[in-house]
Amino acid sequence: DAGVTQSPTHLIKTRGQQVTLRCSPKSGHDTVSWYQQALGQGPQFIFQYYEEEERQRGNFPDRFSGHQFPNYSSELNVNALLLGDSALYLCASSHTGTFDGELFFGEGSRLTVL
Amino acid sequence: DAKTTQPNSMESNEEEPVHLPCNHSTISGTDYIHWYRQLPSQGPEYVIHGLTSNVNNRMASLAIAEDRKSSTLILHRATLRDAAVYYCIGRSYNTDKLIFGTGTRLQVFP
Repeated sequence: DAGVTQSPTHLIKTRGQQVTLRCSPKSGHDTVSWYQQALGQGPQFIFQYYEEEERQRGNFPDRFSGHQFPNYSSELNVNALLLGDSALYLCASSHTGTFDGELFFGEGSRLTVL
Repeated sequence: DAKTTQPNSMESNEEEPVHLPCNHSTISGTDYIHWYRQLPSQGPEYVIHGLTSNVNNRMASLAIAEDRKSSTLILHRATLRDAAVYYCIGRSYNTDKLIFGTGTRLQVFP
C-alpha cells in the first residue's frame, strides 16, 4: 500500500503565478482534505473533497480552489500567489463515515513564493 | 470545534516515560480527542484517539479525565524516534476536519 502520495515535493514560484499540487489518497479512501502549514505553525484546514465536490471549507480565500477526480485523487490550485502562500501543503485521506478513525497524511509539497 | 491548550515544549531522556498534557475545557460530549504527531520533514501521523475511556495501542496510551476537560498522552518508554511535535485535537464526531494548535515539541535525549 503506497499510502498518500503528493507531488511535487518542492517547487518555487514567483508572486502572481499559479500553482497546482496533486494528491493520490490511500487505497480504499474516498475523501481528501488539504492543509496549509506555515513554518513553526500547526496545519490549517483548507478544504475537503468527497464525491468530487467540496464538502467543507476553512477560512481561505477563493484563490484557493480544488478538484477531485473519479479515482478520488485531488488537486489543489492557488492563483495569484502571494509571498504569504509559502508553506508546506499537506494532503490527508480518509474513508467517509469513519469520523472517529484516523486520517492519513502525505509528506507534503513545499511551496516557496519569491 | 474544541480549542486545545498544550505546553510549547517538553524534554525527556531515552527509555523514560513521557506524559504530554492537553487541556480542552470547551470540548463537547461528542468530540473525540485525537493525538497526532509530526516528525521532522514528514506529514502528521495518527497516534491515538478516545472519547471517554482510557485507550491503549502499540504506540501510546491516552488517559482522559473524568470530566473530559483534559487528557494526557503517555509514551511508556521514549526513544529518539519519538522526538516530534505532538498535537492534541478535539474532533467533532461528524467531521473529518482536524483543527491543529501549535502542539508540544518533544525532545528526547540519549
